[in-house]
Amino acid sequence: GAGVSQSPSNKVTEKGKDVELRCDPISGHTALYWYRQSLGQGLEFLIYFQGNSAPDKSGLPSDRFSAERTGGSVSTLTIQRTQQEDSAVYLCASSFGLDGGWEQFFGPGTRLTVL
Amino acid sequence: AQTVTQSQPEMSVQEAETVTLSCTYDTSESNYYLFWYKQPPSRQMILVIRQEAYKQQNATENRFSVNFQKAAKSFSLKISDSQLGDTAMYFCGHNFGNEKLTFGTGTRLTIIP
Repeated sequence: GAGVSQSPSNKVTEKGKDVELRCDPISGHTALYWYRQSLGQGLEFLIYFQGNSAPDKSGLPSDRFSAERTGGSVSTLTIQRTQQEDSAVYLCASSFGLDGGWEQFFGPGTRLTVL
Repeated sequence: AQTVTQSQPEMSVQEAETVTLSCTYDTSESNYYLFWYKQPPSRQMILVIRQEAYKQQNATENRFSVNFQKAAKSFSLKISDSQLGDTAMYFCGHNFGNEKLTFGTGTRLTIIP
């Protein structure tokens, strides 16, 4: 079946503009995660959605970052007033939970460049 | 707080040889999960192998195996008969199941023809 998809693949924006990054998880997966990977770094957790529970936003670096998940499926990560330090690859992952061995399936990521 | 440490930023090995990537972690929990993910230049993170902490037997997936030392909080990945397609970044990760993964900073592995 289809994997996790993300759009756009690449995004170039100017400092101060808002951007929206989209994630389509695997159908039936109840958990959805956003991570950020800066150049040469590991993956940094941003936010986590599980079913209808309140999201875990503990990884969001500032109030310029927000995310929502509509209908328990598609998620959008929004970065307002982008800064150059926001340049990174943003990865989305989804998981089926215990029955799936807690494996997180990752999308191909969106490379964000802030000029 | 959970931490994961990968002390080898880069490694290289000749094709067909065996290579071991190191990973240590810190947690106060007794039940958790450990993962190794591979990230080739395509950027796609791919699960290589996972280990449940309550299982004493080391996980194995074809040419990939782990050496899980729970008391030492060590989780190394062994790649046998390495192939050119194994060239990638390898990330060690840790979580408690349905929560976020905490990753190390990665090891860049190059397989030399």
